[in-house]
Amino acid sequence: KQEVTQIPAALSVPEGENLVLNCSFTDSAIYNLQWFRQDPGKGLTSLLLIQSSQREQTSGRLNASLDKSSGRSTLYIAASQPGDSATYLCAVKDFNKFYFGSGTKLNVKP
Amino acid sequence: GAVVSQHPSRVICKSGTSVKIECRSLDFQATTMFWYRQFPKKSLMLMATSNEGSKATYEQGVEKDKFLINHASLTLSTLTVTSAHPEDSSFYICSALLKTSGGSRTDTQYFGPGTRLTVL
Repeated sequence: KQEVTQIPAALSVPEGENLVLNCSFTDSAIYNLQWFRQDPGKGLTSLLLIQSSQREQTSGRLNASLDKSSGRSTLYIAASQPGDSATYLCAVKDFNKFYFGSGTKLNVKP
Repeated sequence: GAVVSQHPSRVICKSGTSVKIECRSLDFQATTMFWYRQFPKKSLMLMATSNEGSKATYEQGVEKDKFLINHASLTLSTLTVTSAHPEDSSFYICSALLKTSGGSRTDTQYFGPGTRLTVL
């Protein structure tokens, strides 16, 4: 069964820092990997989706990479801002099912 | 982009009552929807896959008689928590699958904003 792990569980950084969130998964036979943002008490906002054949995706200050063979993905956030404070979830897709990590709670201090 | 709504966003009920949560795809048809449950500081747990016009497929350990799912139309799936108890208190999130011509590899799930259920 697919297991998704995210490290660290929580992260606190000063504004302006570049940071990396990590995601690992046990079964490399995935269709795609997606990074989401979740604000407290809210649903999920999709940030980046990487297909299994891709190595990375970029959107603004966000860059996500995928190394399927090693079962790893990273989300890089450049020049962090207080508005980036949220929980970041990664999920891998196997056919129609998503398997979620437990998330990294990010706090960006002004 | 595709929009999925959930209603209600928050519900408080007494123990023993039943609660219905609606999930709607507002601008696309979804033959498949998913229901997730999220415990505090935990990840999303897939509860069941809802298929329009047929019975839902439940994940292992999820009581299908307690969590009734009905996918009556291509834009609406409902989750009914029957005889709710305090341990059913949780954050429930649905998603709707937008199918593409590229097949399963490019099909995309769009998530609703979630429903906070509190059972007293």
